[in-house]
Amino acid sequence: DGGITQSPKYLFRKEGQNVTLSCEQNLNHDAMYWYRQDPGQGLRLIYYSQIVNDFQKGDIAEGYSVSREKKESFPLTVTSAQKNPTAFYLCASSISLGGRTEAFFGQGTRLTVV
Amino acid sequence: AQSVTQLGSHVSVSEGALVLLRCNYSSSVPPYLFWYVQYPNQGLQLLLKYTSAATLVKGINGFEAEFKKSETSFHLTKPSAHMSDAAEYFCAVSGDNQGGKLIFGQGTELSVKP
Repeated sequence: DGGITQSPKYLFRKEGQNVTLSCEQNLNHDAMYWYRQDPGQGLRLIYYSQIVNDFQKGDIAEGYSVSREKKESFPLTVTSAQKNPTAFYLCASSISLGGRTEAFFGQGTRLTVV
Repeated sequence: AQSVTQLGSHVSVSEGALVLLRCNYSSSVPPYLFWYVQYPNQGLQLLLKYTSAATLVKGINGFEAEFKKSETSFHLTKPSAHMSDAAEYFCAVSGDNQGGKLIFGQGTELSVKP
């Protein structure tokens, strides 16, 4: 089945540690995105990528990093510089960055700092 | 710049009653508009989208939305609510001048009373 797979579903991090969230898609989509979701704030864009080896900062990129070495994969690293990392993280992909193409979402990763 | 405003962070209806979730957008270019649904601890699923074809858009699960340019609105409706409709609903906008990025509203949580 085609889709987007995020792992792990739940992740616990100690303060000061970096953690990496995985996102893989087999939809052959060019564009991929990372969003952060907090209660009452909707979804906020962290990073997005239109093509392999290229990515752009979204609205809240500080404290995060990404890579796009393969078309299928777009991992997100939450660094120790991110002051409030506890949130629900959603990965998405779309055929292209064209405005009329809808995004398909993974099931999310819930990150908790302990 | 584009933006989306969802009126009402929480809406409660009785089973069988009309569902109306409000969404107003701001855009300097012709917008593409989307409604997504999210069940607890899951990703987002596309309900319907407007991409400048018919102004009345029908989606999955009996939902529909009407694009009204004069009111800059894209409200989501369903004639008769079902218990399984209880979820969070997000309106989103994109445009050709935004690189295909989706801008989300704050979300509206729908509760359905028996």
